[in-house]
Amino acid sequence: GAGVSQSPSNKVTEKGKDVELRCDPISGHTALYWYRQSLGQGLEFLIYFQGNSAPDKSGLPSDRFSAERTGGSVSTLTIQRTQQEDSAVYLCASSLITRAYEQYFGPGTRLTVT
Amino acid sequence: GENVEQHPSTLSVQEGDSAVIKCTYSDSASNYFPWYKQELGKGPQLIIDIRSNVGEKKDQRIAVTLNKTAKHFSLHITETQPEDSAVYFCAARMDSNYQLIWGAGTKLIIKP
Repeated sequence: GAGVSQSPSNKVTEKGKDVELRCDPISGHTALYWYRQSLGQGLEFLIYFQGNSAPDKSGLPSDRFSAERTGGSVSTLTIQRTQQEDSAVYLCASSLITRAYEQYFGPGTRLTVT
Repeated sequence: GENVEQHPSTLSVQEGDSAVIKCTYSDSASNYFPWYKQELGKGPQLIIDIRSNVGEKKDQRIAVTLNKTAKHFSLHITETQPEDSAVYFCAARMDSNYQLIWGAGTKLIIKP
């Protein structure tokens, strides 16, 4: 079946602009995660959605970052007033709630802020 | 909270030789330890995992060992091949917490 998809694959934006990154999880996966991966670094947890529960936003680095998940499926990560330090690869992952440890990742969106 | 350290950051081995990547964790309550492989331009992919009630697990050329007393676990790749070149991440998790705590990654280079 189809895996996790993300769009766009690459995004170049000017400092100060807003960007939206999209994630389509695997059908039936109720858990969805966003991570940030800076060049040569590990994964930094940003936000977690599980079904209709309130999301865990504890990893969002500032109030410029927000995310939503509509209808328990597609998720959008929004970064307002982008800064150069926001440049990174943004990864989305999904999982079954009964197997939350087995996360399936999308290919990521490479964001470059100039 | 949990902290996972991973070593080395870069590992270069001759094709056909073995590679070992090591991770340590801080919270003894962690009981699940997956390993992910990330190829260039792709997201990480789960390759093997181990639970705290098991000391070793094998899957063809890869194996993972866990030492709960010392709080460290390792990934072993035997008979390395060019397609093993990638970045490998270890992680740790507790049943009470859905979050995976990730190591910083190891870039594995297989020399022909």
